Amino acid sequence: RKEVEQDPGPFNVPEGATVAFNCTYSNSASQSFFWYRQDCRKEPKLLMSVYSSGNEDGRFTAQLNRASQYISLLIRDSKLSDSATYLCVVNTNAGKSTFGDGTTLTVKP
Amino acid sequence: SAVISQKPSRDICQRGTSLTIQCQVDSQVTMMFWYRQQPGQSLTLIATANQGSEATYESGFVIDKFPISRPNLTFSTLTVSNMSPEDSSIYLCSVELRDLNYGYTFGSGTRLTVV
Repeated sequence: RKEVEQDPGPFNVPEGATVAFNCTYSNSASQSFFWYRQDCRKEPKLLMSVYSSGNEDGRFTAQLNRASQYISLLIRDSKLSDSATYLCVVNTNAGKSTFGDGTTLTVKP
Repeated sequence: SAVISQKPSRDICQRGTSLTIQCQVDSQVTMMFWYRQQPGQSLTLIATANQGSEATYESGFVIDKFPISRPNLTFSTLTVSNMSPEDSSIYLCSVELRDLNYGYTFGSGTRLTVV
């Protein structure tokens, strides 16, 4: 079993749709969690950190469920520019980062 | 947040040769990280580069194949040695944003093709 697993995707949604991705992690000692966005042939860029209380940034909402060991990313009112691969990243308190394989989102007109 | 300049952005190399990738950060950082992203896959950590000490390598990666230098707090190099086609990949350096709770920022990556 992988340490970090994501919905395989791809997700193909129309503009304006709401889409959610999940990511599960196996290490209960994991301390911090992130969602990154990676555009084709580009480096990953931090989208948002995920806090225990959940957090929102515009159309994006991230949530953490420690009991079930998963995090989620919700995108509301999808835009064409949201098309990308979304990577879940989990850090342990030893400072090790583990990346999920990513979920590909395509938003269509 | 820190800005990383990574070069070269891409290269095509003959098997058996070596390529050195450089990353320059615009601020001093304690740790720099080197990742590999193979086609269609996610990022795998190769090693952590600390200034003044040897790099710490992850399982499956060895210093002879991926020697790393970290001469100061703003610069690091990764060398891919004795390359084979299996080394064709994107190589990325990254640094922590303030501390690990803030995630990482990445260089723009080096797209390596070994022929």
